[in-house]
Amino acid sequence: AQSVTQPDIHITVSEGASLELRCNYSYGATPYLFWYVQSPGQGLQLLLKYFSGDTLVQGIKGFEAEFKRSQSSFNLRKPSVHWSDAAEYFCAVGALTGGGNKLTFGTGTQLKVEL
Amino acid sequence: NAGVMQNPRHLVRRRGQEARLRCSPMKGHSHVYWYRQLPEEGLKFMVYLQKENIIDESGMPKERFSAEFPKEGPSILRIQQVVRGDSAAYFCASSSKQGAIETQYFGPGTRLLVL
Repeated sequence: AQSVTQPDIHITVSEGASLELRCNYSYGATPYLFWYVQSPGQGLQLLLKYFSGDTLVQGIKGFEAEFKRSQSSFNLRKPSVHWSDAAEYFCAVGALTGGGNKLTFGTGTQLKVEL
Repeated sequence: NAGVMQNPRHLVRRRGQEARLRCSPMKGHSHVYWYRQLPEEGLKFMVYLQKENIIDESGMPKERFSAEFPKEGPSILRIQQVVRGDSAAYFCASSSKQGAIETQYFGPGTRLLVL
């Protein structure tokens, strides 16, 4: 069965600093990987996704992520964080099963941005 | 608004009552997924439905929970005889294609509180 680990429960960065959120996955086949962001009381918004091809993927809001098969990782990065980026970030792996493609999520990383 | 819609956004029930959560997928989407987010946890898959069919219910609790996606109208997640442990955020996601990894778009969620 697939699983996702987000080792950092909370991260605090200063506005303008760079950011890296870690994500490690376990999956027996080619993984389909996603990063979602959730603001308080809101639903999940897709930041970016990796299906195949270039291992460095660009997303919305200036985010990017790099798929590293050898490390089973899909870390999310942003070169300069804005105060509005404060939110909870979820990494997920998609699995084709039973005709559908259910997502398995990590437990999330809460990002706090200091002004 | 062409996004995934869920209602109600907040639902309060007393123990033993029934909870009905509704989800209208994005226009053109015929696949619906339900996920549950317990406090301080990531989202957990519950069930995957297409119109008039339950495709994968491997994440559904065996008792009290049911889901449907009728030919007309929204998808419904029904929880009978709610208990305090059912308090959580319930998210619905929709996608447009089966058999391949497609992006799931999430609704804003229903926050269920059981007193």
